[in-house]
Amino acid sequence: GDSVTQMEGPVTLSEEAFLTINCTYTATGYPSLFWYVQYPGEGLQLLLKATKADDKGSNKGFEATYRKETTSFHLEKGSVQVSDSAVYFCAAGDTGRRALTFGSGTRLQVQP
Amino acid sequence: NAGVTQTPKFQVLKTGQSMTLQCAQDMNHNSMYWYRQDPGMGLRLIYYSASEGTTDKGEVPNGYNVSRLNKREFSLRLESAAPSQTSVYFCVGASEGVHGYTFGSGTRLTVV
Repeated sequence: GDSVTQMEGPVTLSEEAFLTINCTYTATGYPSLFWYVQYPGEGLQLLLKATKADDKGSNKGFEATYRKETTSFHLEKGSVQVSDSAVYFCAAGDTGRRALTFGSGTRLQVQP
Repeated sequence: NAGVTQTPKFQVLKTGQSMTLQCAQDMNHNSMYWYRQDPGMGLRLIYYSASEGTTDKGEVPNGYNVSRLNKREFSLRLESAAPSQTSVYFCVGASEGVHGYTFGSGTRLTVV
């Protein structure tokens, strides 16, 4: 079945630092790819998505590009803020499978 | 407020007790899902319902049962709780398959 692998956390950065969180997937076919964010005590919220190779998803300064050749969807942000502290989940899925497969999550801590 | 509502938010059970986690949505979602979240393991699919009257097993269905009572409600039942079922449970609704996930705020369950 499909699987999603994320870099382990926590990732600790100073404010205004550059962020990269790695994500790779294995799947039959070409799934859609997603990044979700979870703030303490809440459910997950969609951050961005890409539905086909070379698509770039972006939202709130975060970006990720669907790389078919490396089966990757790394999350990046040029300048993180304390308010970005959260857990980030990479996910993959397509309509035929009816459900998303999630990675294990990466905790980001941004220090002032 | 529109969305996916889970009850209760917190619950402590003794081993062997039973309980039902309730989930209701008012977004006219066709599909509903139950995931569990455990540290280092991300979210794992327990059961899902592609439409009213249908349910299917996910990755980790053992020890659980579900009921799609109507289009709005999708409950998760633990017949005989075990410590291994200590987790945070999320109900999810979706109208566009994997592209339209809306998460509830979660139920934190502890089995002692």
